[in-house]
Amino acid sequence: EDQVTQSPEALRLQEGESSSLNCSYTVSGLRGLFWYRQDPGKGPEFLFTLYSAGEEKEKERLKATLTKKESFLHITAPKPEDSATYLCAAPNNAGNMLTFGGGTRLMVKP
Amino acid sequence: GAGVSQSPSNKVTEKGKDVELRCDPISGHTALYWYRQRLGQGLEFLIYFQGNSAPDKSGLPSDRFSAERTGESVSTLTIQRTQQEDSAVYLCASSLGPAFDTQYFGPGTRLTVL
Repeated sequence: EDQVTQSPEALRLQEGESSSLNCSYTVSGLRGLFWYRQDPGKGPEFLFTLYSAGEEKEKERLKATLTKKESFLHITAPKPEDSATYLCAAPNNAGNMLTFGGGTRLMVKP
Repeated sequence: GAGVSQSPSNKVTEKGKDVELRCDPISGHTALYWYRQRLGQGLEFLIYFQGNSAPDKSGLPSDRFSAERTGESVSTLTIQRTQQEDSAVYLCASSLGPAFDTQYFGPGTRLTVL
């Protein structure tokens, strides 16, 4: 059974304090690993897709990396507006759904 | 361009009533998905439409749930005889092709069953 697990469940950072969020997966024949950001009361907003081990993608203060078993979302010098829940997801082999992790709720204090 | 839209944004109903939720995907997207997000929990897959193929209904939790899609446009998710455990945010997403393509989500419909 495909599984996606995220840690930690919650993370409190001071503004400027860099850290990483983890997403581990057990999906055979991975066909992409997706990162989303979700603000309260809103739908998930697409951030990145990673397709192969070693791949990295960056957007502003965020950098996503992928290994054969896990993905990391690195947040460099975060700001309060980076506070949100970050979700990772992987498609099943049939390509007809995403399996989501439980998310990491990030809180950045000024 | 316009993103995925959903209506209503909020729906409060009484136990036992039927509800209908609507999703307008991004124009040109052939694939459409429904997910459910219960309070404090992750997203659960409900149903998948791809072009004119038969939908994948494997995630629907009971026969009270059904969904339709007209061609490659609007989709409606219907919940009959609602129960309190149906209370959740119902999210719709669309992608240009199948799930290996990026899914773009709508804002969701928050359903509360009293």
